[in-house]
Parts: sequence; C-alpha cells; structure tokens
Amino acid sequence: RKEVEQDPGPFNVPEGATVAFNCTYSNSASQSFFWYRQDCRKEPKLLMSVYSSGNEDGRFTAQLNRASQYISLLIRDSKLSDSATYLCVVNPGRRALTFGSGTRLQVQP
Amino acid sequence: EAGVAQSPRYKIIEKRQSVAFWCNPISGHATLYWYQQILGQGPKLLIQFQNNGVVDDSQLPKDRFSAERLKGVDSTLKIQPAKLEDSAVYLCASSRTVTESSSGNTIYFGEGSWLTVV
Repeated sequence: RKEVEQDPGPFNVPEGATVAFNCTYSNSASQSFFWYRQDCRKEPKLLMSVYSSGNEDGRFTAQLNRASQYISLLIRDSKLSDSATYLCVVNPGRRALTFGSGTRLQVQP
Repeated sequence: EAGVAQSPRYKIIEKRQSVAFWCNPISGHATLYWYQQILGQGPKLLIQFQNNGVVDDSQLPKDRFSAERLKGVDSTLKIQPAKLEDSAVYLCASSRTVTESSSGNTIYFGEGSWLTVV
C-alpha cells in the first residue's frame, strides 16, 4: 500500500465551481500534513498546512481526520488559475516529506 | 534571497552513460534533499543531508546512484550507469533544519533538472 494515496483525476470543472480532493495516508504516526501545488513543468510549492481543527485560506479549506487517516482540500469559486496538480503531503515524524502522486485539476472557462 | 539553484536544467543521455546534477541550497540551510519525480507521480525522496551527513538514503538505488555534500553546502547527485527508467525530474530542496522542514512551510524546491535517458 502506498504511504499517501490520491485520486489522480483529472477533475475538469467549470469556473466558479466547488471541487474537493481527498487523500489517505497509511502511517498513523504521521504528524504533519500539507497540500502542495505544482504547476505544469514547475516545482512543488506549499499551498497550505492542514491542522486537526481544519483551516481556511480564502477560497481554500483543508481538513484532517486522524481517526480515518484522511485529508481533504476544498476549493470554492474555482478560477482558471487554479488549474494545477495538487499534491497531498505528510510528514511521518522527523523525516522528509512524503508526497502523494497528485490530483490534476483543470478549470475550464 | 536567492532560491535553490540547480544545474543543468535539461540533460539527454544514452542508457549506460553517466550524468551528474548540481544543487546549491539557500544560504544558511542545513538540510538538503534530492527528490526524483517521474512523470505522473509525486516526488520521491532519494537522499536527505543534514550539513554534510546523510540522514536518510533508504530509497537511493545505491548500485547506480550516489550523492555527496562534502562541505555541507552544495551537493552533487550522480547516476552511473543510467537506465531508461531514470528519466525523471531531479528536484533539489532545502530547509533550515529537519525540524523546521516538518512544518512544511520552510522547505524550498529548485526548478529541477530534467533527465531523459534514450
């Protein structure tokens, strides 16, 4: 089983739509959780951290369910510029970040 | 502040040849990582350095891959001999410390070195 599993997509949504991505992780000892964004042919960049209480940054909301080992990302009012691959990332203790394979989002006009 | 520098950006080699990638992390960053990203997959850690010491190289194919960070600053990743399945982007990243990298918001990636093995 992969350490971090994501639906690869692609998710094709119209502008203004709400879209949600899910991710599951296998290591129950994982301590930190993040969503990274990666544009085509670019390096990954941190989008947001994911806290147990859930957190929101503008149109983006991230949630964590430790009991189910599940992380989610919700994007409201999608913009064309949101088109990218979204990587679910966990840190299983004091180790380097472990990345999922990513979910591709294509926002269409 | 200058970012993580990598070179070359692009390299095409034949299988069984060798290749080397160079990375210069952000000044003052003690922790350096090499990740391999195959098309359609997420980045996979190859090796992690803390200063000039190896913290984790459990996923490095040591029969053909090697990496060093002799002076605890810049680093070189070498592949010899290359195989077709080594075609990927090699991403270097750095952070101030391992602890800070756990928080995610202080790990910085370079633009990557794109390798095609034919």
